[in-house]
Amino acid sequence: AAGVIQSPRHLIKEKRETATLKCYPIPRHDTVYWYQQGPGQDPQFLISFYEKMQSDKGSIPDRFSAQQFSDYHSELNMSSLELGDSALYFCASSFYSEAFFGQGTRLTVV
Amino acid sequence: SQQGEEDPQALSIQEGENATMNCSYKTSINNLQWYRQNSGRGLVHLILIRSNEREKHSGRLRVTLDTSKKSSSLLITASRAADTASYFCATDAGAGGTSYGKLTFGQGTILTVHP
Repeated sequence: AAGVIQSPRHLIKEKRETATLKCYPIPRHDTVYWYQQGPGQDPQFLISFYEKMQSDKGSIPDRFSAQQFSDYHSELNMSSLELGDSALYFCASSFYSEAFFGQGTRLTVV
Repeated sequence: SQQGEEDPQALSIQEGENATMNCSYKTSINNLQWYRQNSGRGLVHLILIRSNEREKHSGRLRVTLDTSKKSSSLLITASRAADTASYFCATDAGAGGTSYGKLTFGQGTILTVHP
């Protein structure tokens, strides 16, 4: 069965650079969620989209932005990267049921 | 802010034993979900229990929910070495109703099952 696809799987960026993370939800899933998981931490909700509109917002820094496109894939844009942004970033998708998570993108800021 | 507290933080058992993990939360919820995460890998959905349910089973997993105590437990019976992972509870407390994916995670229990 198709799962949530995230790319890239690993990303290394320098401080103050910009990163773009992509998420391809399970086909027919109309809601996408983004989470950030720091080392040894639990996942923290960042933002979600339903039918291409932002549906909810969590603890997402102003330096980050996201959107969902007409094909339902989503991108998380992160600018002015800081060392503390190093984390595992998860995308999840759902369709009136439990959310299914992707394998995550591990972002390392050096 | 943290919705869920899990205990124990770490659990070490032998294969064949049962493992019980507990989760407490603070606000009213629509549902509570349990996820598993192998080290640094993705989150795998295990089971969802709705606020009007008290117990749910899935294979070797048994989840209970006590909304009066705002707590849940996950029991893994006849554990295997392959069950070694971190286990997280996550609550859906959306004020607008069930959102399924906007979740507040607990800190997780690290389960180690020794062969």
